[in-house]
Amino acid sequence: GDSVTQMEGPVTLSEEAFLTINCTYTATGYPSLFWYVQYPGEGLQLLLKATKADDKGSNKGFEATYRKETTSFHLEKGSVQVSDSAVYFCALTRNQAGTALIFGKGTTLSVSS
Amino acid sequence: NAGVTQTPKFQVLKTGQSMTLQCAQDMNHEYMSWYRQDPGMGLRLIHYSVGAGITDQGEVPNGYNVSRSTTEDFPLRLLSAAPSQTSVYFCASSRVVSSYEQYFGPGTRLTVT
Repeated sequence: GDSVTQMEGPVTLSEEAFLTINCTYTATGYPSLFWYVQYPGEGLQLLLKATKADDKGSNKGFEATYRKETTSFHLEKGSVQVSDSAVYFCALTRNQAGTALIFGKGTTLSVSS
Repeated sequence: NAGVTQTPKFQVLKTGQSMTLQCAQDMNHEYMSWYRQDPGMGLRLIHYSVGAGITDQGEVPNGYNVSRSTTEDFPLRLLSAAPSQTSVYFCASSRVVSSYEQYFGPGTRLTVT
């Protein structure tokens, strides 16, 4: 079945460091890919998405490129801030409406000043 | 818009008790779903609905019932709580067609003793 694998956390960085969180997926066909973020005590929010191969999703300085050849969707940010501390979830769906998400286990990011 | 609301925020149950987790949205979204979040497991889909009167099972439906009598509400019922149902429960909603973004509620933390 479909699945998403994320790098294990926690990831601990200093402010202004470069961030990469790896995400790979297994799915038939052409899934849509997402990164969701969960701030402490809150629900999940969509951070960015890509719906076809080679698409780049971007938001708030975060980027991820849909690489079908490597089945990957790694999240990157050039300079993290303390306010980026959160749990990040990679997810996919084969549903055109973006529903029925399959999530990775989540990666906790902690940024210190 | 209040978005997606969930009640209660916290609940403690004894094994065998029943309860209903409430979820409501005011965005006229057709699609609603319930996830549970467990440490190291990410989010897993319990049940979902594509419209009033239509529900279906997700990845982990056992022990849970749902119904969808209105567009706005999607309650999750635990008929006989078990310690394995200790988790954080999230409700989400979205448009069915070409939306890709799901909106999550703040979650309900349930402990079954």
